[in-house]
Amino acid sequence: ELKVEQNPLFLSMQEGKNYTIYCNYSTTSDRLYWYRQDPGKSLESLFVLLSNGAVKQEGRLMASLDTKARLSTLHITAAVHDLSATYFCAVGSGGSNYKLTFGKGTLLTVNP
Amino acid sequence: DTEVTQTPKHLVMGMTNKKSLKCEQHMGHRAMYWYKQKAKKPPELMFVYSYEKLSINESVPSRFSPECPNSSLLNLHLHALQPEDSALYLCASSLRYTGTDNNSGNTIYFGEGSWLTVV
Repeated sequence: ELKVEQNPLFLSMQEGKNYTIYCNYSTTSDRLYWYRQDPGKSLESLFVLLSNGAVKQEGRLMASLDTKARLSTLHITAAVHDLSATYFCAVGSGGSNYKLTFGKGTLLTVNP
Repeated sequence: DTEVTQTPKHLVMGMTNKKSLKCEQHMGHRAMYWYKQKAKKPPELMFVYSYEKLSINESVPSRFSPECPNSSLLNLHLHALQPEDSALYLCASSLRYTGTDNNSGNTIYFGEGSWLTVV
């Protein structure tokens, strides 16, 4: 059974600081997703990582994937308050990667 | 347009009621999904439809009955639900996985969700 572990689960940081969220998964997969969820809202797709060594960046967020280590990271650079949200990683599995297994999520709070 | 539309946004139903949640997308996606999300928890997969056929049923109780009338629509029929079924129900869609192409077709797009309360 695929297990996806995110850490930390709670992250409180100051504006302007950098930090990394980690996502480990237990079985082979070639598809890793990062989503953002604001309170009471749906999931916003941030990144889809498809291959070993993939790196994608959007604004202050950068995601990477190491399939050999079964590890993805979401790096936050110079955090701003607007980044406060819950961030989920999700790993694709099944014959067509239809099944997403989500990590527990990281609740990020960026303080002024 | 990367939009998945869900209705209703909020639904309150009694344990003896029959209701339906609806989901629509016009992106030409051939895979559609239902997820359930409880408060402060990650989403959990319920059903996957691929080319209008049920591909995955994650051992969901029969009081939840999915239906895919055509490639743009996905319904979730609800009957005799329990209070513990109260949750946010998320519909999602994606292009069918066809290989290692690296374009945005791999993205799974989520709708805004339907908040369900069973009383």
